[in-house]
Amino acid sequence: ETGVTQTPRHLVMGMTNKKSLKCEQHLGHNAMYWYKQSAKKPLELMFVYSLEERVENNSVPSRFSPECPNSSHLFLHLHTLQPEDSALYLCASSQGEVSGTETYTQYFGPGTRLTVL
Amino acid sequence: AQSVAQPEDQVNVAEGNPLTVKCTYSVSGNPYLFWYVQYPNRGLQFLLKYITGDNLVKGSYGFEAEFNKSQTSFHLKKPSALVSDSALYFCAVRDSRFFSGGYNKLIFGAGTRLAVHP
Repeated sequence: ETGVTQTPRHLVMGMTNKKSLKCEQHLGHNAMYWYKQSAKKPLELMFVYSLEERVENNSVPSRFSPECPNSSHLFLHLHTLQPEDSALYLCASSQGEVSGTETYTQYFGPGTRLTVL
Repeated sequence: AQSVAQPEDQVNVAEGNPLTVKCTYSVSGNPYLFWYVQYPNRGLQFLLKYITGDNLVKGSYGFEAEFNKSQTSFHLKKPSALVSDSALYFCAVRDSRFFSGGYNKLIFGAGTRLAVHP
């Protein structure tokens, strides 16, 4: 395992539901990322947090709301999603230069397979 | 424009034969290059990276990759393929237009599916 866990692994929700995805990293990293992986499309970077501060928001619809309460945890809050939001959502973490040792490598969790009905 | 191209959607190879998965890149400045593998219903697993130094980089599970600056390529190779190597492989490059000490942005290729047949 990579040291990055995600729960739940599978989620089925209706368009009116509210749910949250959770990511936890046990690597001591200080940057965390959310990606969306859809069939036949390149990996899409959604959000980046560095030192618990959101530093990237790549034109993601407001129905996706990230939260980073501390450097080890990252959440993605979901509400009123659309069927086209069905995808594999991947969390990743990396070690930034701030701590003096930057590796540039992102380590990924196993993902949450989301299906929106 | 900064980009990564994996020209083959799928690569088929017989078990025991050498394999190559191709990757070319376009980036300004020195490239930081990565290979990841994804097994079904799993996240991306880091295989190896090139930052600087020897052009031949060795990684996990017997994989290696050769950095070729003149051809702007970073092909993934393995001398003897295993059926268990069958998976989706992604090449990535750090986006050099962006710099921050706290994190980095990766540009991923579309992926190449490797099928190793017994």
